[in-house]
Amino acid sequence: NAGVMQNPRHLVRRRGQEARLRCSPMKGHSHVYWYRQLPEEGLKFMVYLQKENIIDESGMPKERFSAEFPKEGPSILRIQQVVRGDSAAYFCASSPGLGFYGYTFGSGTRLTVV
Amino acid sequence: AQTVTQSQPEMSVQEAETVTLSCTYDTSENNYYLFWYKQPPSRQMILVIRQEAYKQQNATENRFSVNFQKAAKSFSLKISDSQLGDTAMYFCAFMKLNSGNTPLVFGKGTRLSVIA
Repeated sequence: NAGVMQNPRHLVRRRGQEARLRCSPMKGHSHVYWYRQLPEEGLKFMVYLQKENIIDESGMPKERFSAEFPKEGPSILRIQQVVRGDSAAYFCASSPGLGFYGYTFGSGTRLTVV
Repeated sequence: AQTVTQSQPEMSVQEAETVTLSCTYDTSENNYYLFWYKQPPSRQMILVIRQEAYKQQNATENRFSVNFQKAAKSFSLKISDSQLGDTAMYFCAFMKLNSGNTPLVFGKGTRLSVIA
């Protein structure tokens, strides 16, 4: 079992470009969560998705950020027109489904905006 | 809204000694989970220990144990016989108990250094 796979591990973007972060959940997991970690901070919840549905996006910035989890393929966190303040580590976690089973985290993608 | 506070930004401990990391939280919920996660330099988030709020008995995992004081809303982590591999950031986290998973709320972390 490969665990939660995130890629790329490091991503550098210039201001104004788009960033796409990918997350493949553990085999058998249909629930995905995205968290953002700013330097010297804890993780902050962004969005919770099931296959083809956004369940909770209360932590997502209203502009420039979007997330999807298609029927086939990984979950994608997309940041348009990146700014320096978007520089952070972005973590994905997955779980099997309803009822608490705990989360498995990926190793994160570190986004640097230059 | 729930909040989690870790009042110790950094701590250090001698190898083989015991150290306690503090965590307090604020919630109006009665049913919830509490967690300690470890984040080594590799950045991987590793679950150390978990406590269900309805259980009075403190959770224990090998050298790791917690002191859960529900009335005081306190959830400290004790690491016994500290090892060099315990060097990492440690995050306390809260999760409201619902019919399904709910987001984790994290503290800002404590950076622990184990010294040889």
